[in-house]
Amino acid sequence: EAGVTQFPSHSVIEKGQTVTLRCDPISGHDNLYWYRRVMGKEIKFLLHFVKESKQDESGMPNNRFLAERTGGTYSTLKVQPAELEDSGVYFCASSRSTGTPYTGELFFGEGSRLTVL
Amino acid sequence: AQKVTQAQTEISVVEKEDVTLDCVYETRDTTYYLFWYKQPPSGELVFLIRRNSFDEQNEISGRYSWNFQKSTSSFNFTITASQVVDSAVYFCALSLYTGGFKTIFGAGTRLFVKA
Repeated sequence: EAGVTQFPSHSVIEKGQTVTLRCDPISGHDNLYWYRRVMGKEIKFLLHFVKESKQDESGMPNNRFLAERTGGTYSTLKVQPAELEDSGVYFCASSRSTGTPYTGELFFGEGSRLTVL
Repeated sequence: AQKVTQAQTEISVVEKEDVTLDCVYETRDTTYYLFWYKQPPSGELVFLIRRNSFDEQNEISGRYSWNFQKSTSSFNFTITASQVVDSAVYFCALSLYTGGFKTIFGAGTRLFVKA
């Protein structure tokens, strides 16, 4: 089966511009997560979709970040307008439906590196 | 508060040495899951192991072994006879149910294995 794919792999933009990151989860995975890692720090949770609904968006830094998951398939994460501190690697992960037994394993994409100049 | 601490930022070893990566977690929940992920140079995080809070058995998988101790809230990872291909960033993670499962990661430990 195809893994989690993310696009673009690297984006370089100027402060104030807009960037949209895309994530295609593994087919059939209801859960989709966005995480961010900034310069050698921990991987921080941004938000969690269950199908097309936002289950938890407590990690979204501010209203410059907008995540959508149309039809419960792929997801986009838009940053508008981008600031210098938004630079980092944005990871998308997906997992199967939560049930019994819970596996909890997250399948990650390779990440989208965002550089804001 | 929930937290995962990986105190070792970088470790450098020579091939064939054993190396242990430390992980300490904090949670008041009694039900939780612990994970280790590997991030090779390609960037993608790869799942290595999962442990639930009720299972303190240690596990061995080839050259990898994990030591889970609830008394010290630690979930350490040992690589025996390290190889150059083990060079990567390793993340410890804690997963909790908060209406949905939320996974919290440590800062990662970068392991360099020199030939």
